Amino acid sequence: AQSVSQHNHHVILSEAASLELGCNYSYGGTVNLFWYVQYPGQHLQLLLKYFSGDPLVKGIKGFEAEFIKSKFSFNLRKPSVQWSDTAEYFCAVLFTGGFKTIFGAGTRLFVKA
Amino acid sequence: DGGITQSPKYLFRKEGQNVTLSCEQNLNHDAMYWYRQDPGQGLRLIYYSQIVNDFQKGDIAEGYSVSREKKESFPLTVTSAQKNPTAFYLCASSAGRNNEKLFFGSGTQLSVL
Repeated sequence: AQSVSQHNHHVILSEAASLELGCNYSYGGTVNLFWYVQYPGQHLQLLLKYFSGDPLVKGIKGFEAEFIKSKFSFNLRKPSVQWSDTAEYFCAVLFTGGFKTIFGAGTRLFVKA
Repeated sequence: DGGITQSPKYLFRKEGQNVTLSCEQNLNHDAMYWYRQDPGQGLRLIYYSQIVNDFQKGDIAEGYSVSREKKESFPLTVTSAQKNPTAFYLCASSAGRNNEKLFFGSGTQLSVL
């Protein structure tokens, strides 16, 4: 079955620390990859996406993610987090030819001011 | 102001009762989705619809039903057969073409009395 795994359920960082959230997916052919973010009290929204081309993609608010096909991974990174990055982050995969976007369990990030 | 509107924000269900969650979109999107969000489990797909008058079961469809009589509307009914309905329910839509991102509503929190 197609699945998405996120390595950490809870992460606590101090401001200016670097962030890396892990995401792996089960093999299923060509994929489209997403990171969504849910800030407290707000809608779930797209942070960044990968469809093809350069495996290093940049999103909003200084986030980036790298697609490593050989490792079935799509890790999210940010060099220096801010208090306003406190949110829940979801990795998601859409297998090409399908309509079902599959989500990971989510990672709650808390950034201490 | 384009988007997805879910109502109500909070809903309480009595034992043996069916309840219906509303989802309306004015984005002219073909595809609509219902996800259930539980703490630590991420988002799980209940039902999705690629086009009017057509819908498919997702990964956890048992105890739920949907209809898609209009492009802009995709109501979800939580039936009495759903034994653990307490959760946060998210409606989403996409243009329907492959690799499209999802747009989410603000969600409905359903609780059992």
